[in-house]
Amino acid sequence: AQKVTQAQTEISVVEKEDVTLDCVYETRDTTYYLFWYKQPPSGELVFLIRRNSFDEQNEISGRYSWNFQKSTSSFNFTITASQVVDSAVYFCALSEAFTNDYKLSFGAGTTVTVRA
Amino acid sequence: DAEITQSPRHKITETGRQVTLACHQTWNHNNMFWYRQDLGHGLRLIHYSYGVQDTNKGEVSDGYSVSRSNTEDLPLTLESAASSQTSVYFCASSGGQGASGLYNEQFFGPGTRLTVL
Repeated sequence: AQKVTQAQTEISVVEKEDVTLDCVYETRDTTYYLFWYKQPPSGELVFLIRRNSFDEQNEISGRYSWNFQKSTSSFNFTITASQVVDSAVYFCALSEAFTNDYKLSFGAGTTVTVRA
Repeated sequence: DAEITQSPRHKITETGRQVTLACHQTWNHNNMFWYRQDLGHGLRLIHYSYGVQDTNKGEVSDGYSVSRSNTEDLPLTLESAASSQTSVYFCASSGGQGASGLYNEQFFGPGTRLTVL
């Protein structure tokens, strides 16, 4: 069974629109970590955020914000006022402390295209 | 600044040849990982290591091997390259201690694009 589901394969928006990327995860561990990574067209993988299972506080970093809801097993990512430089593939990932010994399980990724 | 590097960045080889991809990190991280990225499959774990002399198989380890003789390096070897191993390979490291300790996020190298003809 897939541990991390990113149901949106591709999203296309016009600059300055907001875009929300969905991430739903599945785990039986009580201690786990969630991550978002960005992969721009240049190909490198850039770490964006880590969230611990015991910390449900939402987080905002500039135009980026993350909404973690344990009740729905979701860790969604919103880009506010998108810019062309936000065009990338975004990956959500899960690390389970006991089941998987801290290895990362990645979702399939969501390709975001921001048009000028 | 600490970093993680991979070499070569691009490699073309022939079926049946042995190929080694290098990964070097200066974070002094205990944990190192090798992934491959293919269209339609996302990132898949090949091998990983939680310290010197420790190596473990990931979900797609067949045809690959690793060895860890020091903290900084985890070379990935394709014993006999096959066309199915054409892919982009990423190395990553993290400072976590595995199940016994605090976990940290993984930092990735720039990737190696391997083509097997």
